[in-house]
Amino acid sequence: DAGVTQSPTHLIKTRGQQVTLRCSPKSGHDTVSWYQQALGQGPQFIFQYYEEEERQRGNFPDRFSGHQFPNYSSELNVNALLLGDSALYLCASSLREADTQYFGPGTRLTVL
Amino acid sequence: AQSVTQLDSHVSVSEGTPVLLRCNYSSSYSPSLFWYVQHPNKGLQLLLKYTSAATLVKGINGFEAEFKKSETSFHLTKPSAHMSDAAEYFCVVSAHQAGTALIFGKGTTLSVSS
Repeated sequence: DAGVTQSPTHLIKTRGQQVTLRCSPKSGHDTVSWYQQALGQGPQFIFQYYEEEERQRGNFPDRFSGHQFPNYSSELNVNALLLGDSALYLCASSLREADTQYFGPGTRLTVL
Repeated sequence: AQSVTQLDSHVSVSEGTPVLLRCNYSSSYSPSLFWYVQHPNKGLQLLLKYTSAATLVKGINGFEAEFKKSETSFHLTKPSAHMSDAAEYFCVVSAHQAGTALIFGKGTTLSVSS
């Protein structure tokens, strides 16, 4: 049974560029959440997708957007990258009626 | 609003001695509480989860946590530390509603010496 997978593993971008990160949920899960973990900090909630709609959003600017596909996989897009966007981006999946989330290995984004 | 406070940013123990990682929570609702572990350059692994079924929760790798409502605490313990336990540990709260975001503490770094 495959767990949560994310791609790419690492990514280097320059300021002002745009980036897309991808996530495939654990088999049987229908809800995907995204988190940002800055160095030395706990993860912070970005947003959550269910039934292809954003259901909940944390305190992140509109530069952060997402999408969920019919197969429940998801993308996180960040526009106009800033140096402060450098972080580990974690995807987590769950069942809508449960609150236990299972995390992928993350994508390390470096903005130069 | 929900929040968690991890009382120690760094805990050091010797191999074979007990581990105690402290966490206090605040929640307007009946909370779900979790402990996750993160090894260097890895994702987060669920250690255990409390959802009101039992106040003493047993997790993986010999860890357990006790929910104390009167003290709003959810401390993580292990009787005997192993070198492989060295990692970052996060206490996490979720409002007891479907689809709710997880709120993480700032983490506790556990060091284990031989």
